[in-house]
Amino acid sequence: SQQGEEDPQALSIQEGENATMNCSYKTSINNLQWYRQNSGRGLVHLILIRSNEREKHSGRLRVTLDTSKKSSSLLITASRAADTASYFCATDAKRDDKIIFGKGTRLHILP
Amino acid sequence: ETGVTQTPRHLVMGMTNKKSLKCEQHLGHNAMYWYKQSAKKPLELMFVYSLEERVENNSVPSRFSPECPNSSHLFLHLHTLQPEDSALYLCASSQEYRGEIPYEQYFGPGTRLTVT
Repeated sequence: SQQGEEDPQALSIQEGENATMNCSYKTSINNLQWYRQNSGRGLVHLILIRSNEREKHSGRLRVTLDTSKKSSSLLITASRAADTASYFCATDAKRDDKIIFGKGTRLHILP
Repeated sequence: ETGVTQTPRHLVMGMTNKKSLKCEQHLGHNAMYWYKQSAKKPLELMFVYSLEERVENNSVPSRFSPECPNSSHLFLHLHTLQPEDSALYLCASSQEYRGEIPYEQYFGPGTRLTVT
């Protein structure tokens, strides 16, 4: 079974609102990363959070990690049209150091 | 766009054809990856090379054959593919493969492959 799983699968919000996406995983991790992918393009790394960290910020992005619940969230504040993309979490499992991506959340920012 | 380039960007091939996908990274990284991305499925890691040595092969059919002649170039040779192999093939690189410090991956734009 896959390690990281994002929810919701799809999310549509108005421009200016905040968008929250969640990622749940099954086994202990070394770190968790979030990536963005614009339609038909490669993934772009957004932020990495280590297992001993609880929160990280980067510009309008805020990532939280709760290792007790095996979950992470990505918050995008004051969303913009350019934020329309798919967002993936990638977990680096402790048991084998393998990085596994989830299916992603498709975010659509409405004008 | 990210220091990782892929050619061609689009490829249509018949099931009896032989073709190759090329990836080049200009970042001085030591690890390179091939991923397959199909609709509504998680990104699938196919192969990993670290310092030109294959270190992961995730049960990929032999009709996909990777080659890493040097740390900057990665190829994926394709032969007798099936229609279900149609997907976006992404190449990525990272500073190192595994270690104490986690490294993010830098992705190329991908090759959209259609097998007819």
